[in-house]
Amino acid sequence: NAGVTQTPKFQVLKTGQSMTLQCAQDMNHNSMYWYRQDPGMGLRLIYYSASEGTTDKGEVPNGYNVSRLNKREFSLRLESAAPSQTSVYFCASSEVWTGIDTGELFFGEGSRLTVL
Amino acid sequence: AQSVSQHNHHVILSEAASLELGCNYSYGGTVNLFWYVQYPGQHLQLLLKYFSGDPLVKGIKGFEAEFIKSKFSFNLRKPSVQWSDTAEYFCAVTPKAAGNKLTFGGGTRVLVKP
Repeated sequence: NAGVTQTPKFQVLKTGQSMTLQCAQDMNHNSMYWYRQDPGMGLRLIYYSASEGTTDKGEVPNGYNVSRLNKREFSLRLESAAPSQTSVYFCASSEVWTGIDTGELFFGEGSRLTVL
Repeated sequence: AQSVSQHNHHVILSEAASLELGCNYSYGGTVNLFWYVQYPGQHLQLLLKYFSGDPLVKGIKGFEAEFIKSKFSFNLRKPSVQWSDTAEYFCAVTPKAAGNKLTFGGGTRVLVKP
């Protein structure tokens, strides 16, 4: 099993350009997430999808949109990239969204995005 | 909203030294607590987790963490580190039954010198 797969792994954009980060998981997980990782700030949740057909904002959603295409795929779109969006982006999935003993996320390898 | 603080941003150790990484969180209710690790060039993976019960939890690769409720802390320890423990370590918290909206600390980079 590949787990969580993200594409592309690296991307350089100019300010104002748009792009979509793709994420797919093959673990039949219900929930999927997009995080960004910045030095010293840990990971911050951008958007999440608790189940197929639903999406919700996380901590830092401004400038991003998401689509839960099906149970496997969850994409993140930057409509008009800004230098502040230079970051490493991680997609993650989990078996369920809620429950007493939740919290284990499975991460992709990350996508390094630079906006000039 | 909850927050997580990791006090050490960088730690440099020699092999066989003991490691302790601090993690404190702010949230008034009951929580699930986690340590994730990111080895160089790899994705984040779960090191250990605490849901309930014995506050001393053991994870993979000889790591353990102790939950001290009164101090809102969940410190990570390893008695004797190896060069292969070089990685970035993240503490994370989520309120129980509130969904998987994990809040991560800023991370601690650990460098183990051979």
